[in-house]
Amino acid sequence: GAVVSQHPSWVICKSGTSVKIECRSLDFQATTMFWYRQFPKQSLMLMATSNEGSKATYEQGVEKDKFLINHASLTLSTLTVTSAHPEDSSFYICSARAGFGEKLFFGSGTQLSVL
Amino acid sequence: RKEVEQDPGPFNVPEGATVAFNCTYSNSASQSFFWYRQDCRKEPKLLMSVYSSGNEDGRFTAQLNRASQYISLLIRDSKLSDSATYLCVVNMRATSGGFKTIFGAGTRLFVKA
Repeated sequence: GAVVSQHPSWVICKSGTSVKIECRSLDFQATTMFWYRQFPKQSLMLMATSNEGSKATYEQGVEKDKFLINHASLTLSTLTVTSAHPEDSSFYICSARAGFGEKLFFGSGTQLSVL
Repeated sequence: RKEVEQDPGPFNVPEGATVAFNCTYSNSASQSFFWYRQDCRKEPKLLMSVYSSGNEDGRFTAQLNRASQYISLLIRDSKLSDSATYLCVVNMRATSGGFKTIFGAGTRLFVKA
């Protein structure tokens, strides 16, 4: 089946630093990628939707200048958490699909801890 | 109102029980529907797609009622390994004109021996 690779799987950083998370579709071209955040015991919250070659669409309440998303190719999207703070500590997960209506394939997630 | 709403749970059932999860969605233009399963701190995994005609995969049966904007998942003969969070997922049109995928809050299931 289709595979989405996400890394790093976990990262610990100091407050104020920036962290980049990569999401790659390994055996299909992902026209759309999604980024989610999940706090403990809560559901996945959609942060943004990115289509290859265009600007990401952010959900209400998500700061686009803080969570920079780049989807420069059909197989790679990156999420950069800029100037991370402890409240940004969360489980971040990406997903990708080849086309609308297609199944989503998920990365294995990144646990971010900001000290 | 949330775009996708699920039973809050948790559901605590004995092995062998039948359990049903419900999900409603607010956008009548929603296009496709899925049930995913998520184990603790892992990525969600597709359980099954949901069609208007209903579909069954072993002990799992999914139904879609477009008129009521309602989706259901039935699990028969529950196993301990079914313990997980079940997520209702809906693909719908975004205000930007594209499409987005929205997850319900999830329903936690605990199956006990």
